[in-house]
Amino acid sequence: AQRVTQPEKLLSVFKGAPVELKCNYSYSGSPELFWYVQYSRQRLQLLLRHISRESIKGFTADLNKGETSFHLKKPFAQEEDSAMYYCALSVPGTGNQFYFGTGTSLTVIP
Amino acid sequence: DADVTQTPRNRITKTGKRIMLECSQTKGHDRMYWYRQDPGLGLQLIYYSFDVKDINKGEISDGYSVSRQAQAKFSLSLESAIPNQTALYFCAPSFNMIAESNEQFFGPGTRLTVL
Repeated sequence: AQRVTQPEKLLSVFKGAPVELKCNYSYSGSPELFWYVQYSRQRLQLLLRHISRESIKGFTADLNKGETSFHLKKPFAQEEDSAMYYCALSVPGTGNQFYFGTGTSLTVIP
Repeated sequence: DADVTQTPRNRITKTGKRIMLECSQTKGHDRMYWYRQDPGLGLQLIYYSFDVKDINKGEISDGYSVSRQAQAKFSLSLESAIPNQTALYFCAPSFNMIAESNEQFFGPGTRLTVL
């Protein structure tokens, strides 16, 4: 079975501090990993995906197959980063079913 | 993404009632998904469709049914609503892109309360 674990339901950091949102997955093959974000009163939207190896809004995430992790990081948190973050896994060959984690609510304290 | 709309946005209904949630998209996405979001549980897949007449069950399909009337429309029905179906429901279309990763574009959500 494919599963995504986000161990932290709530995370608070001060503005300017580094932030790391953890995501671990269980899948033995080569999945696609994503981070979605939901700002207050807005719909979920894609933040970044591992195959793009991009940095969006200062966030990066590296896929570590050895540790089966895809942690989201930002060196200096901003107040506008406060949101709900979901890690998601898509398994090729299953019609791209997505499996979402339970989400982490990030609060950046001014 | 304003190209994905869901109706109604909010609905309160009673146990045993039939209710339909509708999703429309204007970008020609061939795949469409229905999720429910519950506090502490994240998003759970209910049903998904690769094309018209192609319907697949997700993780939690019991108590739900869907209809893909056209490529642009994907409806979710609760034949006899029960209180534990109270949740936020999201529709998420995506493209079938073999060469690239598949992004899902989420609708604004429908907040359903079953009394």
